[in-house]
Amino acid sequence: RKEVEQDPGPFNVPEGATVAFNCTYSNSASQSFFWYRQDCRKEPKLLMSVYSSGNEDGRFTAQLNRASQYISLLIRDSKLSDSATYLCVVLSGGSYIPTFGRGTSLIVHP
Amino acid sequence: NAGVTQTPKFRVLKTGQSMTLLCAQDMNHEYMYWYRQDPGMGLRLIHYSVGEGTTAKGEVPDGYNVSRLKKQNFLLGLESAAPSQTSVYFCASNPGNRGAQPQHFGDGTRLSIL
Repeated sequence: RKEVEQDPGPFNVPEGATVAFNCTYSNSASQSFFWYRQDCRKEPKLLMSVYSSGNEDGRFTAQLNRASQYISLLIRDSKLSDSATYLCVVLSGGSYIPTFGRGTSLIVHP
Repeated sequence: NAGVTQTPKFRVLKTGQSMTLLCAQDMNHEYMYWYRQDPGMGLRLIHYSVGEGTTAKGEVPDGYNVSRLKKQNFLLGLESAAPSQTSVYFCASNPGNRGAQPQHFGDGTRLSIL
C-alpha cells in the first residue's frame, strides 16, 4: 500500500459545483497535513494546512479523520480558475521528509 | 523577498554532458530538497539537506550529487547526463526544526537530455 494515496481523477465539474477529494495515508504516526495546488508545468503551491478540528479558507474546507486515516478537501462554488492538480502532503512527527500524493486532477468547465 | 530561486529555468544537454542546477533561498530555512517530476510519477525526492554542510539521499539519488556549502544554496549536479534524467526539477525549502511546516517551492528547471 502506498504511503499516501489519491484518486488521480480527473474530476470534471461545472462552474458553481461543489467537489470533494480524499487522500488516505498509511502511517498512523503522521502528524502534519497539507493540501497543495499545482498548475500545469508550474511549481506546487501551498493551498492550506489541515488542522485536527478542520479548517476553512473561503470556498475551501479541509478535514482530518485520524480514525480512518484520511484527509479531505472540499471546494464550494467551483471557478474555472480552480482547474489544477491538488496534492496531498503528509508529514510524520519528527520526520524531515514530507510524503506527497500523486495528485488529483480537477477540471472546471463553463 | 524572492523566496526560492532556481537557475537555470530551461536547459538542453547532450548525453554525457555535465551541469549543475542552483537553488537559492533567502528565508533562512534549514531544510532544502531536490525533487524531480515526471508525467504520471508525481514528485520524487532526489536528495535533501537538513543543514549547512549536510546532505542525504532520497528516493531516486542515482546519477545525481548535491552540495550545501552555504545555508542558502543547494546545488544539484549531473556528472554524466542521461536521457532518463529528462525531467522537471523542483527545489524546495522548509524552516526546519522538525516542526509542522509546509515546504516552499522554486518555479522549476526544465531539463532535456538528448
